[in-house]
Amino acid sequence: NAGVMQNPRHLVRRRGQEARLRCSPMKGHSHVYWYRQLPEEGLKFMVYLQKENIIDESGMPKERFSAEFPKEGPSILRIQQVVRGDSAAYFCASSLTGTGLTEAFFGQGTRLTVV
Amino acid sequence: GQQVMQIPQYQHVQEGEDFTTYCNSSTTLSNIQWYKQRPGGHPVFLIQLVKSGEVKKQKRLTFQFGEAKKNSSLHITATQTTDVGTYFCAGSISGGSNYKLTFGKGTLLTMNP
Repeated sequence: NAGVMQNPRHLVRRRGQEARLRCSPMKGHSHVYWYRQLPEEGLKFMVYLQKENIIDESGMPKERFSAEFPKEGPSILRIQQVVRGDSAAYFCASSLTGTGLTEAFFGQGTRLTVV
Repeated sequence: GQQVMQIPQYQHVQEGEDFTTYCNSSTTLSNIQWYKQRPGGHPVFLIQLVKSGEVKKQKRLTFQFGEAKKNSSLHITATQTTDVGTYFCAGSISGGSNYKLTFGKGTLLTMNP
């Protein structure tokens, strides 16, 4: 039973390029969350998605960032025209229900470095 | 907005000593979860507390949820090298969008090798 799969594990982008981060939730989970973690910081909520729907994107910057969770395939977090400040670890988590009362399973994260 | 604060930010112990991290929320929580993240790793769920005043134990770990559901603590008895990592609390707001976990900044537990 594969856990939450994220790829790539490490991603290096030059300023101005696009970064695409993928997340496949655990089997049977239709609730996906993206978090960003800066060094020595906690995890900051970015966006919550269910299949084909964005439920809450209040933690996501209005510009350059977008997320989707299509009917088929993984959830994608897309960062356009990356800047150095986007360098961080991006974690995806999935859960069986979206109530916050169930365990969230985290992927191993994508460490984005912008040079 | 909701804030979850954790103290201390860092704790260095000798193997065998006890360790405690505290979590405080600016608002009443519907539940609190604890996660552990090893260096270079990803957060792993430890436990969830839902009831006011709840206490749960996992071997050497004891978790408490305050009576007012605004604070929580994690206590580790007789730490071992495998306990090294960052411990995060995460809460969801009572009556709010309780899918949105708000994480504290974590307490990094280190130990002499």
